[in-house]
Amino acid sequence: GAGVSQSPSNKVTEKGKDVELRCDPISGHTALYWYRQSLGQGLEFLIYFQGNSAPDKSGLPSDRFSAERTGESVSTLTIQRTQQEDSAVYLCASSFLAGVTDTQYFGPGTRLTVL
Amino acid sequence: SQQGEEDPQALSIQEGENATMNCSYKTSINNLQWYRQNSGRGLVHLILIRSNEREKHSGRLRVTLDTSKKSSSLLITASRAADTASYFCATATQGGSEKLVFGKGTKLTVNP
Repeated sequence: GAGVSQSPSNKVTEKGKDVELRCDPISGHTALYWYRQSLGQGLEFLIYFQGNSAPDKSGLPSDRFSAERTGESVSTLTIQRTQQEDSAVYLCASSFLAGVTDTQYFGPGTRLTVL
Repeated sequence: SQQGEEDPQALSIQEGENATMNCSYKTSINNLQWYRQNSGRGLVHLILIRSNEREKHSGRLRVTLDTSKKSSSLLITASRAADTASYFCATATQGGSEKLVFGKGTKLTVNP
């Protein structure tokens, strides 16, 4: 179908609350990636899914961050006990095949603001 | 950790001029990709150049890769106001996982 979609587009939360960010990849794409972008910075890799499993979680900054993917489709990134330094744009991408030789298509992102 | 480093950080040119952005990286790569980002939101893939390639063209875009210097350049010819955006290089490291490592980007402004 259409491109990668993410929801919500904007999220404002209070410090200490939990948030869930959702990503709907392009239908049929087996690989899904989460990145985050802090103000004026490049993208920082968080986690990568191949199907429903996550071979690489190396970018998750702390154990407050977790992600899951179900049905080889939708993925949810959960941040528990949010901190102000978690404020960033969280971007999701998907690709048809795993591997960086395959183009990653990005969603519009979720802008998270932690007050 | 940051792999690609773009320069300049910001570039302002007039419509019709060419824009050149550079990217340097540190480790051996499988490929290098350039992305464009409008208004701090989703990224659009522009071009991928493999480690055994030296130059690649796509429309008004020309990308070069010098693996001996661990650097790449993106040239946009005959720029348009609509090219105004941030441009990022991203590297896929040899022996690494599927993640891309992005630089901090070059903010390009094309003035009409």
